[in-house]
Amino acid sequence: AIRMTQSPSSFSASTGDRVTITCRASQGISSYLAWYQQKPGKAPKLLIYAASTLQSGVPSRFSGSGSGTDFTLTISCLQSEDFATYYCQQYYSYRALTFGGGTKVEIK
Amino acid sequence: EVQLVESGGGLVQPGGSLRLSCAASGFTFSSYWMSWVRQAPGKGLEWVANIKQDGSEKYYVDSVKGRFTISRDNAKNSLYLQMNSLRAEDTAVYYCARARMVRAPGAFDPWGQGTLVTVSS
Repeated sequence: AIRMTQSPSSFSASTGDRVTITCRASQGISSYLAWYQQKPGKAPKLLIYAASTLQSGVPSRFSGSGSGTDFTLTISCLQSEDFATYYCQQYYSYRALTFGGGTKVEIK
Repeated sequence: EVQLVESGGGLVQPGGSLRLSCAASGFTFSSYWMSWVRQAPGKGLEWVANIKQDGSEKYYVDSVKGRFTISRDNAKNSLYLQMNSLRAEDTAVYYCARARMVRAPGAFDPWGQGTLVTVSS
């Protein structure tokens, strides 16, 4: 199975900060990558698909980039509602879908 | 409104069985790949299984192969997960999730609210 590695696993940031989360695939996955946001006790929410396409309704401060094996999720100006855990997921290998381990964004 | 509602979770002893259901509404269920994704307490997300829109293809994560069976009933707009030979490590919230696009596996949207399965004696 394709292994997805996120970094960092957690970090602290302040409202207004620009933050970047990285996701690396163990083999090339083209642009078959999604990002999700999850808040405690809630189901994950799709933010970005196809590595860089913003899901309808998601604020434009979220952006994604990358292709092949290296990807990033950027939040341009962190808001209070953005403190959550973020996951990447590859769907290049749809017979064995895999998620990254998650990145928790905490309030500094 | 597109909606997925899971049911069937609960407490079960190791070695036992449980059947999860997911009721879909607000979209043409028979046009979408569907998946089960789980999350152990305090842990990350793990894809469990998926099924093609007509049920002709099914795939599983290695840790559940031979124990879990995914199925669907398009006439009832329902997705199922039959879980046998349950182990403590299967304890998790189980989410039902739809593929974002018709007739293509891929990113998940939307997700259900989840149902908790606890395997313990």
